[in-house]
Amino acid sequence: QVQLQESGPGLVKPSETLSLTCTVSGDSISSYYWSWIRQPPGKGLEWIGYIYYSGTTSYNPSLKSRVTISVDTSKNQFSLKLNSVTSADTAVYFCAKTPDYWGQGTLVTVSS
Amino acid sequence: DIQMTQSPSTLSASVGDRVTITCRASQSISNWLAWYQQKPGKAPKLLISKSSNLEIGVPSRFSGSGSGTEFTLTISSLQPDDFATYYCQHYNSYWDTFGQGTKLEIK
Repeated sequence: QVQLQESGPGLVKPSETLSLTCTVSGDSISSYYWSWIRQPPGKGLEWIGYIYYSGTTSYNPSLKSRVTISVDTSKNQFSLKLNSVTSADTAVYFCAKTPDYWGQGTLVTVSS
Repeated sequence: DIQMTQSPSTLSASVGDRVTITCRASQSISNWLAWYQQKPGKAPKLLISKSSNLEIGVPSRFSGSGSGTEFTLTISSLQPDDFATYYCQHYNSYWDTFGQGTKLEIK
């Protein structure tokens, strides 16, 4: 059974960088592609981007200038960095092997 | 980029009703469409992949159809546990896209 678990700070200050890591168990990250998705409170789902194990990435054009997704195959993890955050980036962040497997999500609040 | 338009945004129905949710793509996406159910505070749960493949463990009252640009999720007889928010998602592309969501409410 594939499991994904997000980890990282739950509170980030405006203008700083949001950093999250997703740890994958039950599957090798050296297969398929791995996604980050977010959901602002009370709103819908927004795809952020994904990464192949090879390091190839694809990002949502609306976030592309601020997003970096990376992979560490030795740790079976992939990570998200979103810089210059504002309150609009407050959301539950999910990592996923779409469409089949999702993490439980982690709430990140942007506030001073 | 491909846009997904989901309708309706809200749907009021009763237990036992048959309901249909529609998702339209701005260009052909073949059958690369998934349907999810989401309840408050939870991650989305995959119901259907590749437009019509029912996931193991999902009740058979759920069904999906369509290809190209028009897709539907049908619940044949609503049960109390089905009242939730539903999302479509185009996946397996240069970028993925979600529909806006449909909140299924009890009438």
